[in-house]
Amino acid sequence: DSGVTQTPKHLITATGQRVTLRCSPRSGDLSVYWYQQSLDQGLQFLIQYYNGEERAKGNILERFSAQQFPDLHSELNLSSLELGDSALYFCASSVAVANEQFFGPGTRLTVL
Amino acid sequence: AQSVTQPDIHITVSEGASLELRCNYSYGATPYLFWYVQSPGQGLQLLLKYFSGDTLVQGIKGFEAEFKRSQSSFNLRKPSVHWSDAAEYFCAVGTGANNLFFGTGTRLTVIP
Repeated sequence: DSGVTQTPKHLITATGQRVTLRCSPRSGDLSVYWYQQSLDQGLQFLIQYYNGEERAKGNILERFSAQQFPDLHSELNLSSLELGDSALYFCASSVAVANEQFFGPGTRLTVL
Repeated sequence: AQSVTQPDIHITVSEGASLELRCNYSYGATPYLFWYVQSPGQGLQLLLKYFSGDTLVQGIKGFEAEFKRSQSSFNLRKPSVHWSDAAEYFCAVGTGANNLFFGTGTRLTVIP
C-alpha cells in the first residue's frame, strides 16, 4: 500500500459524459501527478500540481482539467468523453519536486 | 526531448535464473532514473531509483540497477527470479520538474 488513495476504482460511463476522479496523496506529500495508461499510448504524464498550484502540463487534452485543493487532495475532470478516453488513470504523489513518486491503485475508466 | 526505450517487450525466464531488463534513456541533463513494477490490475510500485552518487543502486525484492552514463542505460537485474516476480516492469526518467517519462514496459513471465 503506497498510501495514495484513488476513487472510484472503476467507472463506466457513456460518450459525451463528464466524470471526476479523486486522489488523496500520501500524508505530507505536497505534489500530485496524474497519468493515463492506455494500450496504445502507454503511460503518459498528464499534469502536476504542487501545493495547490499547477506546476507542469504534459499531454493533457483541453477536455480534461484538474485541480488540487487546500487539503492537498486532487481531482481530475474529464468531459465530453470519447471512446478513446477509456484507460487507467493513475495519481501519484511526492514530498516535493524531484523526489520519487508513489502511485495509487488507479481508476479504470470505461467509456461506452 | 526526453525518451525511454525498453527494447524487450516480453521476456520469459525460468524460476531461479538470473534476469536483466534493459533500459536506455535520452535526456539532456543528469537524469533521475526509476524502475517501477506493475502487477496485473495493480498500481505501480517503486523498485529503485537513481538520483546521483553510486551508480549501482539496490532496490526492494532483491533487485538492483546500474547507471551507465556512457551508454545512457539503466538496466535492472536480479540474480535469481521468483515466480512472484512475474509482472510488467517500467523504466522511467524524471526531469527537473520530476514529471516521469515512461518506457513502454517489459512483461516478465516466469516459468517453473
